[in-house]
Amino acid sequence: NAGVTQTPKFRVLKTGQSMTLLCAQDMNHEYMYWYRQDPGMGLRLIHYSVGEGTTAKGEVPDGYNVSRLKKQNFLLGLESAAPSQTSVYFCASSPLGLGFVGNEQFFGPGTRLTVL
Amino acid sequence: GENVEQHPSTLSVQEGDSAVIKCTYSDSASNYFPWYKQELGKRPQLIIDIRSNVGEKKDQRIAVTLNKTAKHFSLHITETQPEDSAVYFCAASYSWGKLQFGAGTQVVVTP
Repeated sequence: NAGVTQTPKFRVLKTGQSMTLLCAQDMNHEYMYWYRQDPGMGLRLIHYSVGEGTTAKGEVPDGYNVSRLKKQNFLLGLESAAPSQTSVYFCASSPLGLGFVGNEQFFGPGTRLTVL
Repeated sequence: GENVEQHPSTLSVQEGDSAVIKCTYSDSASNYFPWYKQELGKRPQLIIDIRSNVGEKKDQRIAVTLNKTAKHFSLHITETQPEDSAVYFCAASYSWGKLQFGAGTQVVVTP
């Protein structure tokens, strides 16, 4: 199993450009998450999904959109990139909600995005 | 929502000494508290977790304690080794299926 994978690994954008980050998991997990990580701020939840076809806002959703058309994929879109979106983006997945025993979040390798 | 505070932000220890990281949380409904280790340029990886029906959990050199009344939990690393150097994050669950992370602790183990 590949676990959780993310593409691309690195990307540089100019202000106003758009892009989509792809997260894929082969563990048949129901829950998927997108986080951003900035120095000194830990991981902050952008959007999440509790199953195929569902999405919900997290702590910092502004400027991002998501889609989960297939259970194994969770896409994060930036319609008009801003320098404030320079960050490392992590995707994660979990079998079910965290209230269930053994349901940890598994993280992907991350995407380093720079917006100039 | 949930608010998680983590201290200290940096921790330097001599090899062989113990390291303790403390976190507090605000939502009394939180029932799952994982700890993640992140090495430079890598993804966060779960090292230990604890659920609200347990007060302490150990796994070799690491242990986690939870005080639900005071809403705080701690990570203890004994006999530290250079490979323990990393950033450690605590987290608390909230609103079913979501995690609120602390800001992280940079641990440096010097030989």
